[in-house]
Amino acid sequence: DAEITQSPRHKITETGRQVTLACHQTWNHNNMFWYRQDLGHGLRLIHYSYGVQDTNKGEVSDGYSVSRSNTEDLPLTLESAASSQTSVYFCASSDGLDYSPLHFGNGTRLTVT
Amino acid sequence: QKEVEQNSGPLSVPEGAIASLNCTYSDRGSQSFFWYRQYSGKSPELIMFIYSNGDKEDGRFTAQLNKASQYVSLLIRDSQPSDSATYLCAVNTGYDMRFGAGTRLTVKP
Repeated sequence: DAEITQSPRHKITETGRQVTLACHQTWNHNNMFWYRQDLGHGLRLIHYSYGVQDTNKGEVSDGYSVSRSNTEDLPLTLESAASSQTSVYFCASSDGLDYSPLHFGNGTRLTVT
Repeated sequence: QKEVEQNSGPLSVPEGAIASLNCTYSDRGSQSFFWYRQYSGKSPELIMFIYSNGDKEDGRFTAQLNKASQYVSLLIRDSQPSDSATYLCAVNTGYDMRFGAGTRLTVKP
């Protein structure tokens, strides 16, 4: 069965370190998204991609970057981790049609100390 | 103004009752609308989507859309304790998918 896999599931890092969260999907979807989820804010869009070599900023992109070198992967990098980036991160994908739902990974819980 | 707004709740209903969840959105160009359910510590899962004005039914769930009022709702009939979760409204803006903050629903036995 097709799936979307995030790793690691849990990560603790220190302020100022670079951190990369992995996202790999086997749906062969063109669209991939990164969200963060915090209490009271729901899911907020960080970055998204419509295909290889395409990346776009979402509503909370500061301090984050992504790259899309193939269809399957969209890694999320925190250039210099800050305590404000402690959150649960979800990767999602869709096939790009207007009525297509998102398929979510299981999430990565990141703690920045 | 947030793009997608939901009452944060918590909403508490007795078992067997109808739960009504509401969502408003700001982008009039939005074409499709989704309801996701999220259990604590889990990822969101799709319940249903709607893109035409009116009602759409799927089992115990009914989604309602009114584009003129920019309003989407989800009704859960015969609510069960297993329906206790956070319900997320999502809107496809044509560029990306934006979510509301979610409504926490508790169904009491």
